[in-house]
Amino acid sequence: GAVVSQHPSRVICKSGTSVKIECRSLDFQATTMFWYRQFPKKSLMLMATSNEGSKATYEQGVEKDKFLINHASLTLSTLTVTSAHPEDSSFYICSVGGARTEAFFGQGTRLTVV
Amino acid sequence: SQKIEQNSEALNIQEGKTATLTCNYTNYSPAYLQWYRQDPGRGPVFLLLIRENEKEKRKERLKVTFDTTLKQSLFHITASQPADSATYLCALNTGTASKLTFGTGTRLQVTL
Repeated sequence: GAVVSQHPSRVICKSGTSVKIECRSLDFQATTMFWYRQFPKKSLMLMATSNEGSKATYEQGVEKDKFLINHASLTLSTLTVTSAHPEDSSFYICSVGGARTEAFFGQGTRLTVV
Repeated sequence: SQKIEQNSEALNIQEGKTATLTCNYTNYSPAYLQWYRQDPGRGPVFLLLIRENEKEKRKERLKVTFDTTLKQSLFHITASQPADSATYLCALNTGTASKLTFGTGTRLQVTL
């Protein structure tokens, strides 16, 4: 199956700064990647669909100016949390595939905003 | 409104017993239903996929059923082991090509 590498695994940042999270598909060319957010002991909530070479599709209620997504190549999507606040602290996970076939997830990124 | 609910937030069973987890959904007509395992601080790992025209799927000690009339899937782990302790998530494809929507999850704890 596909190998998805997410970096960093943990990051602590100060309020007001921006943080970039990378998601790489190591052995699979992904025209579409997905970004999820997960709160403690809660399920995964889809934030947006990252589309290679075009704009991301955001789920209802997700601020696109807050969570910038770039999918410049078939193997890399990035999520930038801009002007981070403590309420943005969460576990962010990316994936490729899904629905008709299994989805492959990255290791996740634990973001803590202080 | 659309909902995907898993029967209990937590389930404790004794080693060797069969664990049965439930996934119920409303206002969806999924073509596929999947089950994932998630360990703390990690991304989910795929376990099984079942299609709407399949009633049952097995893989080693795992079995999944899918009843589109009841809008329910059951996930069984037979001869459970402490290493099976994790959170288990069901997921549906919800219309748009590859989007997956996840259930609330069940934390399974298998004790000796």
